[in-house]
Amino acid sequence: EVQLLESGGGFVQPGGSLRLSCAASGLTFSSYAMNWVRQAPGKGLEWVSSITGSGISTYFADSVKGRFTISRDNSKNTLYLQMNSLRAEDTAVYYCAKGSAYSGSCIDYWGQGTLVTVSS
Amino acid sequence: QPVVTQSSSASASLGSSVKLTCTLSSGHRTYSIAWHQQQPGKAPRFLMKLEDSGTYNKGSGVPDRFSGSSSGADRYLTISNLQSEDEADYYCETWDSNSWVFGGGTKVTVL
Repeated sequence: EVQLLESGGGFVQPGGSLRLSCAASGLTFSSYAMNWVRQAPGKGLEWVSSITGSGISTYFADSVKGRFTISRDNSKNTLYLQMNSLRAEDTAVYYCAKGSAYSGSCIDYWGQGTLVTVSS
Repeated sequence: QPVVTQSSSASASLGSSVKLTCTLSSGHRTYSIAWHQQQPGKAPRFLMKLEDSGTYNKGSGVPDRFSGSSSGADRYLTISNLQSEDEADYYCETWDSNSWVFGGGTKVTVL
């Protein structure tokens, strides 16, 4: 059974940084693209970033481009999201989500999410 | 970059059926989508991947009551024999080579 467990969320001031982690199990991690998707309080889902199975290619939503970095350690089955220059509008639950293929595919598993709150 | 549009809400009686629509933007009519369910207070759950042909592949454990179909730019999710636990938000997702997008979600109320 695929399991995705996020960690690293918390409270941070505007302009600060935070690093999210997602530990994956129950899958051949390097065979699948991975994604981060967020959901602001009371709002819908917003795609944030994706990374291919090898980690060579990364993609970002315009709203986070230049501020967030996605990476993965396939030896540790772990996905990361480094978030810098955080803004109040980045406040959301951040979900780790598995792609259904190596790249360019839909999400087929979700983690439980970790809450990030950006406030002074 | 594709855009997907969903109606904001739908309702139906317990035991009846409801059909949700996800419409792809012009120029993206052949794109596949995925449907996801989010029950109140929970993480989203993958329901199915749906192709323009109408072929769909459901996620593990998704009940037979959930089915998909396609017509032109429209992708549908039909929930038959509606149960109380089907009251949730339903999101469609699509993607191209370097971006992913979600619809605004449809809130389903079971009467």
